Amino acid sequence: QKEVEQNSGPLSVPEGAIASLNCTYSDRGSQSFFWYRQYSGKSPELIMSIYSNGDKEDGRFTAQLNKASQYVSLLIRDSQPSDSATYLCAVTRGAGNMLTFGGGTRLMVKP
Amino acid sequence: NAGVTQTPKFQVLKTGQSMTLQCAQDMNHNSMYWYRQDPGMGLRLIYYSASEGTTDKGEVPNGYNVSRLNKREFSLRLESAAPSQTSVYFCATGERARRSQYFGPGTRLLVL
Repeated sequence: QKEVEQNSGPLSVPEGAIASLNCTYSDRGSQSFFWYRQYSGKSPELIMSIYSNGDKEDGRFTAQLNKASQYVSLLIRDSQPSDSATYLCAVTRGAGNMLTFGGGTRLMVKP
Repeated sequence: NAGVTQTPKFQVLKTGQSMTLQCAQDMNHNSMYWYRQDPGMGLRLIYYSASEGTTDKGEVPNGYNVSRLNKREFSLRLESAAPSQTSVYFCATGERARRSQYFGPGTRLLVL
């Protein structure tokens, strides 16, 4: 079992729809959770961080964390073609607070 | 304010050659990291430096060495390159307390 799992996609949504990206993790001791966006040929860009159970909203993005279910998600409202990218889920684990990344979900937003 | 910079952007090596990838940051972060990204494997941590003067192995350290030259600079060295080291290498920095990391633009390495 991978430590951080994501569906590789592609996830295809029409412009204006809500995109829902999901991530599960195996280490119950994980404390911090991040979503990165990566455009093709570019470096990962931090878009959301969440540290406690519940929802965290930032503009069109909402991160949701459920530690009991070991599940973190990212919702993108009013999806735009410019949101088309790979979204990486990352989790801190262990005493060194190292990040472990999932394989990423490719999102395609169609006009 | 350049953030995190990496040199070179692209490099081609022959098997057995050596090279050093450079990373520098002006974000005044204590921690620095080296990752490699391969198709289907995601981002994997090679080495990290929690603070100036310290370095530790990550998930895939074999074949690499690192140097934390000062607070700003963290280099990754391949002593004898192998085709399996063909990858995209990213440097990242972070403030340990916040734990989020910020990435440089990457170095694309091809080993023939």
